[in-house]
Formats: sequence, C-alpha cells, structure tokens
Amino acid sequence: QQPVQSPQAVILREGEDAVINCSSSKALYSVHWYRQKHGEAPVFLMILLKGGEQKGHEKISASFNEKKQQSSLYLTASQLSYSGTYFCGTEYNNNDMRFGAGTRLTVKP
Amino acid sequence: GAVVSQHPSWVICKSGTSVKIECRSLDFQATTMFWYRQFPKQSLMLMATSNEGSKATYEQGVEKDKFLINHASLTLSTLTVTSAHPEDSSFYICSARERGQGGYGYTFGSGTRLTVV
Repeated sequence: QQPVQSPQAVILREGEDAVINCSSSKALYSVHWYRQKHGEAPVFLMILLKGGEQKGHEKISASFNEKKQQSSLYLTASQLSYSGTYFCGTEYNNNDMRFGAGTRLTVKP
Repeated sequence: GAVVSQHPSWVICKSGTSVKIECRSLDFQATTMFWYRQFPKQSLMLMATSNEGSKATYEQGVEKDKFLINHASLTLSTLTVTSAHPEDSSFYICSARERGQGGYGYTFGSGTRLTVV
C-alpha cells in the first residue's frame, strides 16, 4: 500500500524547477506532501483531496490525477531553503496514511 | 497552528530495559494518533494507529507485545518499547490530526531518537 515516489534524488541550482511524482495502485482518498530536513520532523506542505486540490505555497504547487492515482509536486524557482527530503503520503481511507520512500532534493547556489 | 509535543527528544538505554515515549496534542483533540519509525535516509514506516479509548491497530510485522501503545485521552498517546535491544534503535515519530479535520494535513511531533546500548 506504500505509494511509489520518483525520482529518488534531485540536485538543482538555485532558481531551477523540479517535479516529484507519487503514484498509487489503489484508489486514493487524499494525497499529502511533506518536507523533512535532516534530523527534524516532517512539515506539512499541502494536501490534495479526491475531486480537488489545495495549494500550500506560492512557488510550490501540486496536482492530483484521480484517473491515474498519481500526484506531482512542482517546485518553481527553487531556493536554498527548499533542500530536504520530500515525502508524499497517501490515504486510502480517512486516517490511514502511508509514506513514499522520499525524494532527496538538494539546491545548490 | 496545531502543535504536537513529543518527549523525550532522545534517549539512550541499556539493552533489556523499557522506554516510554509520549506524544501530546497541545491545542487540539485527536482521537487518532500515529506512530512511525524511521531509519537513517529512509522513509517513515507506519508502526501502529493509536485510538483513544480502544486498542491500537498494528501494522503487519510490528510486534504488539514489544511496542505497547496506550491512548488514554484525546491529547495523549504513549509508545513503550519493552525489553529494548540494539536493533530497536531508531527514530520514532508520532503524528496527529485534529478530530474531525479529515482533509487537512497531519502535524508531527519532533521525534525521539532511541539508542539501545
């Protein structure tokens, strides 16, 4: 039931864009995106609900394709502070979230 | 915003002893809390779902008798690692969402790094 996340790692220069993908083999109730810095707890970025989407940050947005059970996180004009590991979390019913393996994003000056 | 407090932040214990980790929702009530385990450079693996006033639901492969979960109130869940061994050393983290707030994100505690020597 764990979602499949790709790519495993991304290295960017400041100002470049990135896309992180998350897919599930089962119908989803919702998709979450979190960012975790080394040694810290994950921080909620945004959630996409079945039948709609919500945007959490101006330059970070996400889409949810219900037919394909896929979600993508878009990071535009990346900043140094975007570095970290991004996890997608999927709920199949309410209150049963599973995390993908994570995407390690490194933004260099 | 919602805050989840997790204590302790780190603990070092001797093999064979038990360790209790607390997870509190400070400004909201949570009928359900979740316990995850994370190894270095890996994802968060759901261990169990803690339900207020009832038994926890454990994921396949997680030993119920080793990882005791108690959710005594709407704001507190505890995870006790019993008879800890070095292979139990890991980062344990809890999360919660305000009751009735399906459709919103989860808030995580700061995590507890357990080292068993």
